[in-house]
Amino acid sequence: EVQLVQSGGEVKKPGESLKISCKASGFSFTKYWIGWVRQMPGEGLEWMGMIYPGDSETRYSPSFQGQVTISADKSITTTYLQWSSLEASDTAMYYCARGPPGGNWLQPNDYWGQGTLVTVSS
Amino acid sequence: DIQMTQSPSSLSASVGDRVTITCRASQGIGNNLAWYQQKPGKVPKLLIYAASTLQSGVPSRVSGSGSGTDFTLTISSLQPEDVATYYCQKYNSAPLTFGGGTKVELK
Repeated sequence: EVQLVQSGGEVKKPGESLKISCKASGFSFTKYWIGWVRQMPGEGLEWMGMIYPGDSETRYSPSFQGQVTISADKSITTTYLQWSSLEASDTAMYYCARGPPGGNWLQPNDYWGQGTLVTVSS
Repeated sequence: DIQMTQSPSSLSASVGDRVTITCRASQGIGNNLAWYQQKPGKVPKLLIYAASTLQSGVPSRVSGSGSGTDFTLTISSLQPEDVATYYCQKYNSAPLTFGGGTKVELK
């Protein structure tokens, strides 16, 4: 069974750093793209970027390039989304989601994690 | 970047009604369009990809059509479990932009 299990909710202060995780199981982790999607409170879905854990190739939305870092650790089948300095506007639910297998990464996401709620407040 | 515009932003319909949601791309995207359903407080679920192909397990009352710039999601007979927000997403090129969403409620 394909599963993406995300780390728990976080409450942080502006300026703090954060790394949230998404552990994959039930499929060949190194052969599928994994993406991240933001959903701000009461708002729609925003595509942030994707990573191919096989070689750590990444793709970012221009809106998030330089604002976050997506990474992966093949040894523990886990992808990460991290911030070096959080802002209040980063308050949102963040989802990881499985993309396509290798090759053409331009495909939709078929399995989603349960989401990680990040709250940034002073 | 290509913009994705959904309409309406919300609708109210009765059980058994036919519901149609439209998604328009600012440039042609071929058939590289997906639809997702997000029930209140839940995780998004892929319904349709390649504009009209149903994901496994999606009921046949749901259908998608269109190509180029204009796309449609249709629920032929609305059921209570269809109450949700629906999003289109284009994936012909980066960024993989979502539409703003259409909230479907029961009348």
